[in-house]
Amino acid sequence: AQSVAQPEDQVNVAEGNPLTVKCTYSVSGNPYLFWYVQYPNRGLQFLLKYITGDNLVKGSYGFEAEFNKSQTSFHLKKPSALVSDSALYFCAVRGAGFQKLVFGTGTRLLVSP
Amino acid sequence: DTGVSQNPRHKITKRGQNVTFRCDPISEHNRLYWYRQTLGQGPEFLTYFQNEAQLEKSRLLSDRFSAERPKGSFSTLEIQRTEQGDSAMYLCASSLAGLTSSYNEQFFGPGTRLTVL
Repeated sequence: AQSVAQPEDQVNVAEGNPLTVKCTYSVSGNPYLFWYVQYPNRGLQFLLKYITGDNLVKGSYGFEAEFNKSQTSFHLKKPSALVSDSALYFCAVRGAGFQKLVFGTGTRLLVSP
Repeated sequence: DTGVSQNPRHKITKRGQNVTFRCDPISEHNRLYWYRQTLGQGPEFLTYFQNEAQLEKSRLLSDRFSAERPKGSFSTLEIQRTEQGDSAMYLCASSLAGLTSSYNEQFFGPGTRLTVL
């Protein structure tokens, strides 16, 4: 079975500081990993994905994520947070041969001025 | 706007009534997905189509739920005899699948928020 864990319900960071939102996953075979962001009353927006290749993946709005196979993690990072980054972030995994995404419970990011 | 669209955006209904939601995917996308999201949770997969064929259904999709994609374009999700537990955000997503694009990301619509009184 596929599963995703986002251990932090909320992450607080000051504007300009680096941010990390944690994600660990469980899947049989090679994982396809995704990060999405959700703003209030809106659908999910795709940020980035890891399929294969370099462990460091760059995505939209300056976000990046690091795939670590031994730790089964796919943490989302940004070198310098903006107030406008405040939103709900979801990590998702897709197992090889499956089409459905399995999401974590989400982490609320709050960036203070 | 060429993104995924969903209608209506909000639906309030009384318990026992039937409701139908519509999703229009990105035009060239051949895969279409339905998810349900409740407060404080991540989206949960319900079903997906490749073209007009419904290829997978979740155990969450009880016999009161039915989804169609008759011409491989837009899709409808119908809930019969709604229950209060059906109150949730229903999200639609689409993606392009093919020999060189099997790993493409899913693009989500804004969702339909259902409230069952």
